Amino acid sequence: SQQGEEDPQALSIQEGENATMNCSYKTSINNLQWYRQNSGRGLVHLILIRSNEREKHSGRLRVTLDTSKKSSSLLITASRAADTASYFCATGNAGNMLTFGGGTRLMVKP
Amino acid sequence: DTEVTQTPKHLVMGMTNKKSLKCEQHMGHRAMYWYKQKAKKPPELMFVYSYEKLSINESVPSRFSPECPNSSLLNLHLHALQPEDSALYLCASSRGEGRTNSPLHFGNGTRLTVT
Repeated sequence: SQQGEEDPQALSIQEGENATMNCSYKTSINNLQWYRQNSGRGLVHLILIRSNEREKHSGRLRVTLDTSKKSSSLLITASRAADTASYFCATGNAGNMLTFGGGTRLMVKP
Repeated sequence: DTEVTQTPKHLVMGMTNKKSLKCEQHMGHRAMYWYKQKAKKPPELMFVYSYEKLSINESVPSRFSPECPNSSLLNLHLHALQPEDSALYLCASSRGEGRTNSPLHFGNGTRLTVT
């Protein structure tokens, strides 16, 4: 079953703006991961945040995790047209496989 | 570019055909996966191989048959498929066994169309 649910399903912004995507999940987790998928291609791992971490940065990416609310957010700052893609969160808990959320389709207009 | 290579990139097959999808990785990863992805949906797990042994089969129909000849190669044999099996088939690998939740490295997939 799909544990992660993402919000919004689709997001359209102008280049230079920030993009925020949210992921909610239902059960306890070991870690939460974010992936990007360009149209018709494979997923690319972006960042992993462990259950005992609250925030993590990688370049223009900022991920937060709130285990009390069972939610995470991915912030892309100063977006570029090349950031146009689908973004998926994936949750992992001990002894089980990663489960992907439904994804957010991001369009960044030049 | 991805370090997981999938061939072919596109495949069109009839319902009576037999075909195979291939996947190769040289990162020394010990876990390899097959996922199926329909348009605008997340990837759905089909099979997991850990140390060249099938460890997970997510109740996939027998018309899909996985094979792991060695630690670098993963095949998916297709036979008597249905049009609803048309999808993007993704191969992935990870350093740790699937349940350790290690990050996945994906290939670019095979776009399969069943006519």
